[in-house]
Amino acid sequence: AIWMTQSPSLLSASTGDRVTISCRMSQGISSYLAWYQQKPGKAPELLIYAASTLQSGVPSRFSGSGSGTDFTLTISCLQSEDFATYYCQQYYSFPPNFGGGTKVEIK
Amino acid sequence: EVQLVQSGAEVKKPGESLKISCKGSGYSFTSYWIGWVRQMPGKGLEWMGIIYPGDSDTRYSPSFQGQVTISADKSISTAYLQWSSLKASDTAMYYCARERGGGYDYLDYWGQGTLVTVSS
Repeated sequence: AIWMTQSPSLLSASTGDRVTISCRMSQGISSYLAWYQQKPGKAPELLIYAASTLQSGVPSRFSGSGSGTDFTLTISCLQSEDFATYYCQQYYSFPPNFGGGTKVEIK
Repeated sequence: EVQLVQSGAEVKKPGESLKISCKGSGYSFTSYWIGWVRQMPGKGLEWMGIIYPGDSDTRYSPSFQGQVTISADKSISTAYLQWSSLKASDTAMYYCARERGGGYDYLDYWGQGTLVTVSS
């Protein structure tokens, strides 16, 4: 199995900030990485797949980068609706497990 | 519009059996894998397993193999997750989600979740 390290686990930020979340793999996964957003009491939603491809309908302030073992989710200008928990998921190998999550909270 | 609608919350006792459902609509149900994801209270997402309703090919994460059974009835576009003997540690929110590719891929549409509470 591939081990995933997502950091930070908690991020305090203000509206308008640029934030970055990291996801590091124990081995290379090419670009087989997705990012999800989960708001309290709601199901996760797909933001990005193939490391950098924005899912339809997702605002352009979200972007993803990286390949191999190191990946980043960036929110360029944090909005109030972006305070949520974010998860990465690798789908290079079975099982396609998730990172531990990053909660983005209001500073 | 792609939709996955899950069955309602359940409260069960340890040792009881349970089957929860996930009904797909707005797309060809037999052409996409459906996966199940567990989220224990206050915790992260755990990938459990997946089924291809077209031929019922099923794959389980090693962590969940033997603990649950995933099935589907393509005639009614519904996937299922079942337990034969629940434990308190099965208390969690369970999500179904449509998988985009071929058996382990990203999940593009999610159900609303089914909360399972197991308590004596």
